[in-house]
Amino acid sequence: EAQVTQNPRYLITVTGKKLTVTCSQNMNHEYMSWYRQDPGLGLRQIYYSMNVEVTDKGDVPEGYKVSRKEKRNFPLILESPSPNQTSLYFCASSFRVTGAETQYFGPGTRLLVL
Amino acid sequence: GENVEQHPSTLSVQEGDSAVIKCTYSDSASNYFPWYKQELGKRPQLIIDIRSNVGEKKDQRIAVTLNKTAKHFSLHITETQPEDSAVYFCAAPSGGGADGLTFGKGTHLIIQP
Repeated sequence: EAQVTQNPRYLITVTGKKLTVTCSQNMNHEYMSWYRQDPGLGLRQIYYSMNVEVTDKGDVPEGYKVSRKEKRNFPLILESPSPNQTSLYFCASSFRVTGAETQYFGPGTRLLVL
Repeated sequence: GENVEQHPSTLSVQEGDSAVIKCTYSDSASNYFPWYKQELGKRPQLIIDIRSNVGEKKDQRIAVTLNKTAKHFSLHITETQPEDSAVYFCAAPSGGGADGLTFGKGTHLIIQP
């Protein structure tokens, strides 16, 4: 089944404790992206990647890191999480390099930073 | 980069009535306009999209219209049903050197029985 997966789905952590949210797609998509969703603010892009080893900042990249060592995986890293990073996170992928095409979303990861 | 404004933020309609959600965008070069539906606790999923070479596209009870001159596009849902209750997001290409999509802030559509 063609899909985007994320893990974990739910995470409670404390300020400053490094964490990684994994994202994987099995559709051989070129483009992958991370969004955060907050009430009243919609979906805001954190980072995106157009290909292996090619990543770039989105609208809200502060406090986040990403890597794209393999085409199928695009982990999101919070080196020192803070309470303002409490949010719902979505990974997405798209067939074309530009990403301005249908994006397929993962199931989401709900993060609470205490 | 692109700026996408979406209105209204909340829309309540009687079951069977029509619903219209509107979005404006800022980059006249944008050429792809998708709409996503997000049910409670679920992921956003594409329901319809339109490209700038057409003015309207329909798929059963949903339609999208595009006015490139005015830089706005709208989602129309006719004969609304309870399962249409969800948050709807419009989007446009980010442009301005960035890639991907810029999303509107979303519209919470409530279908009243």
